[in-house]
Amino acid sequence: KQEVTQIPAALSVPEGENLVLNCSFTDSAIYNLQWFRQDPGKGLTSLLLIQSSQREQTSGRLNASLDKSSGRSTLYIAASQPGDSATYLCAVQAGTALIFGKGTTLSVSS
Amino acid sequence: DADVTQTPRNRITKTGKRIMLECSQTKGHDRMYWYRQDPGLGLRLIYYSFDVKDINKGEISDGYSVSRQAQAKFSLSLESAIPNQTALYFCATSDARTSPNVLTFGAGSRLTVL
Repeated sequence: KQEVTQIPAALSVPEGENLVLNCSFTDSAIYNLQWFRQDPGKGLTSLLLIQSSQREQTSGRLNASLDKSSGRSTLYIAASQPGDSATYLCAVQAGTALIFGKGTTLSVSS
Repeated sequence: DADVTQTPRNRITKTGKRIMLECSQTKGHDRMYWYRQDPGLGLRLIYYSFDVKDINKGEISDGYSVSRQAQAKFSLSLESAIPNQTALYFCATSDARTSPNVLTFGAGSRLTVL
């Protein structure tokens, strides 16, 4: 059974710091891996999707990497801002549905 | 208007009551999903549907039922609500014609069962 783990569960950093969120999964047979952002009381917004054949994807200050063989992904956020404060969810697609991690709650202080 | 609309956004009900959460979408997607989110547990799949005549159980379908009334509508029912069904429920859609299979989520329906 596929399991997705995110570490740390919560993270607090000062504005401007670069940071890394970690995601690991137990079964490397995945189609893709996605990173989502969730704001309190809101739905999920897709940030980056890495297909199984890819190693990384970039969007603005965000960079996500994928190492399928080791079952790991990282989300790198450069020059963090208070507006980055949210919960970040990692999800892998294996079969018909997405399997989610429990998320990392990020707080960026000004 | 949102692409994926969930109603109600918030609902408080009592144990034993029947509850229906509704989801409608304007994206023209054929696939629809219901997830629940619990604090500290992430999102878990309840049911999914790949077209109007297709219904599939997800990881945690017990205590729930669904109806795909049309391509654009997918409702989730709790026949007899219980307190441990208190959660945030999300509907999502995706398009089978596109790869990768990117999901679009609604804003969520917060259900509290007393």
